[in-house]
Amino acid sequence: EVQLVESGGGLVQPGGSLRLSCAASGFTFSTYLMHWVRQAPGKGLVWVSRINSDGSSTNYADSVKGRFTISRDNAKNTLYLQMNSLRAEDTAVYYCARGGVATFHWYFDLWGRGTLVTVSS
Amino acid sequence: SYELTQPPSVSVSPGQTARITCSGDALPKQYGYWYQQKPGQAPVLVIYKDSERPSGIPERFSGSSSGTTVTLTISGVQAEDEADYYCQSADSSGTYGVFGGGTKLTVL
Repeated sequence: EVQLVESGGGLVQPGGSLRLSCAASGFTFSTYLMHWVRQAPGKGLVWVSRINSDGSSTNYADSVKGRFTISRDNAKNTLYLQMNSLRAEDTAVYYCARGGVATFHWYFDLWGRGTLVTVSS
Repeated sequence: SYELTQPPSVSVSPGQTARITCSGDALPKQYGYWYQQKPGQAPVLVIYKDSERPSGIPERFSGSSSGTTVTLTISGVQAEDEADYYCQSADSSGTYGVFGGGTKLTVL
């Protein structure tokens, strides 16, 4: 079955760190760009970060640049998001999403169910 | 920062046609994409590259583009189409992604 499954969410104090994982299955993970998208409670979707197929190129939203790091392990079919210096405004459901195979493909055609990150003292 | 603008809400009766617009300065250079999200669920891609429909998406969903606006059209709206709809694209340089604020479609 083609799917993405996120894990690693939870409750963390402001200033803390958390690493999210996204396990991919059912498709050739190493050929696709991958993204993280988040959604604060009751709010809209916000793009967070993108990584190319071999992990050599990354992009970030201004709101997380310098604090979050996206990475991937193609041997393990897994995408990661290392989140440091977390703030209350980072509280959201974090979705892993599959992109296209070319850098100009800016769509997300497969989504995980999401993992909730809550930043609170 | 770059923004995409959608109406917050659209209401239609069953069987009618719903149109949701999305405006952004970079849309003449970047494709527009549309997602449907129902409560408690992950988004689903319903239109890509302005007007293409992924496999499994009903034919009543269509998309179009004109200048700085992309439009999602749902013909013969059904009760099951009630959801939030988000347009999405990229900035003009293709460096970062952006979503519109979302439109809540209500089927009366």
